[in-house]
Amino acid sequence: GAGVSQTPSNKVTEKGKYVELRCDPISGHTALYWYRQSLGQGPEFLIYFQGTGAADDSGLPNDRFFAVRPEGSVSTLKIQRTERGDSAVYLCASSMGGPDTQYFGPGTRLTVL
Amino acid sequence: AQSVSQHNHHVILSEAASLELGCNYSYGGTVNLFWYVQYPGQHLQLLLKYFSGDPLVKGIKGFEAEFIKSKFSFNLRKPSVQWSDTAEYFCAVRGGADGLTFGKGTHLIIQP
Repeated sequence: GAGVSQTPSNKVTEKGKYVELRCDPISGHTALYWYRQSLGQGPEFLIYFQGTGAADDSGLPNDRFFAVRPEGSVSTLKIQRTERGDSAVYLCASSMGGPDTQYFGPGTRLTVL
Repeated sequence: AQSVSQHNHHVILSEAASLELGCNYSYGGTVNLFWYVQYPGQHLQLLLKYFSGDPLVKGIKGFEAEFIKSKFSFNLRKPSVQWSDTAEYFCAVRGGADGLTFGKGTHLIIQP
């Protein structure tokens, strides 16, 4: 079956602009996660959804970052007033929830000029 | 807070050599442990995982890992590596929260 998909695969924007990154989880997966991976680092947890609600947003770095999952399937990560330090690969993962294996998408490479 | 330490950032081996990648974590409670692999141009995929039971876990492609609770370690091993094992390897832990905490990764290069 189809895996986790993310769009766009690459996004280049200018400092101060607003961006939206989309994640389509595996069908039937109730849990959805966002991670950020900077160069030379492992993925860093941002936020976790169980259904439509954000169960844990402790990893969001500041209030410029926000994510939604209005129908419990597709999720959008929104970044306001982008900064050069936001440049990274943004990864999405989904699972059946709890300790179940998280399946990762290909990521969106965000470059802020 | 939990953390993961991977000791080797770059490893270069010849084909047929044995592999051991170190991983230590810090978390006082019950943990789930994972090794993920990222082959060149591909996304992260699960190699193996430990939840409970037998501390020696076998995964795909001949990889295995041993959970040693007293050492807070979950080292990855493979007796004989192949050129196709060239990839980035990440150790991860799931402790009190549902999000995974990853190590910085080990870049493994296998020379033919």
